[in-house]
Amino acid sequence: EAGVTQFPSHSVIEKGQTVTLRCDPISGHDNLYWYRRVMGKEIKFLLHFVKESKQDESGMPNNRFLAERTGGTYSTLKVQPAELEDSGVYFCASSQAPLPNSPLHFGNGTRLTVT
Amino acid sequence: QKEVEQNSGPLSVPEGAIASLNCTYSDRGSQSFFWYRQYSGKSPELIMSIYSNGDKEDGRFTAQLNKASQYVSLLIRDSQPSDSATYLCAVANQAGTALIFGKGTTLSVSS
Repeated sequence: EAGVTQFPSHSVIEKGQTVTLRCDPISGHDNLYWYRRVMGKEIKFLLHFVKESKQDESGMPNNRFLAERTGGTYSTLKVQPAELEDSGVYFCASSQAPLPNSPLHFGNGTRLTVT
Repeated sequence: QKEVEQNSGPLSVPEGAIASLNCTYSDRGSQSFFWYRQYSGKSPELIMSIYSNGDKEDGRFTAQLNKASQYVSLLIRDSQPSDSATYLCAVANQAGTALIFGKGTTLSVSS
């Protein structure tokens, strides 16, 4: 079984540019989550999809962040325009059932650097 | 007060010793608790989940939960150098939609 796949693994962009991160969950996992870890801080929740619907987006920091999951398969997280404080590692996770009934399987993350 | 607190370490133990990792949480209504292991540059990997007070054992790992003290711990027996990693404590929020993570404790096991 393939794990959660994230692309790209690294991205370096300038302030003001746009970046799109992609996540392919484990096949058959309806639940998809985005998390972020900024330097020196804990991993923080951004949002949760169930299939193509946003179940909880309370962790999204502001309207520069847009997450989509068209068709309920892969998801994208777009940051536009990027700011310096957006630098960090963005993790995607998926699960068969929602918390706490099913463990979250994480991808390796995308390391975003905004200069 | 941070929602989930862990000592950042590093915690250094010799091979074969018991490593004890601790975590406290602030939401008294929390019901679900998880320990993840993360190697540098890799994804967090679930080691243990615990939902009831007491101990839960899985191989060399034992999770302990005390809801009255709002405390959860992870014991690693017979520590191996391959156990060297960052251990993340996570608590599910009351809505069950998200995990709240601590910053993690770095464990170093020397051979």
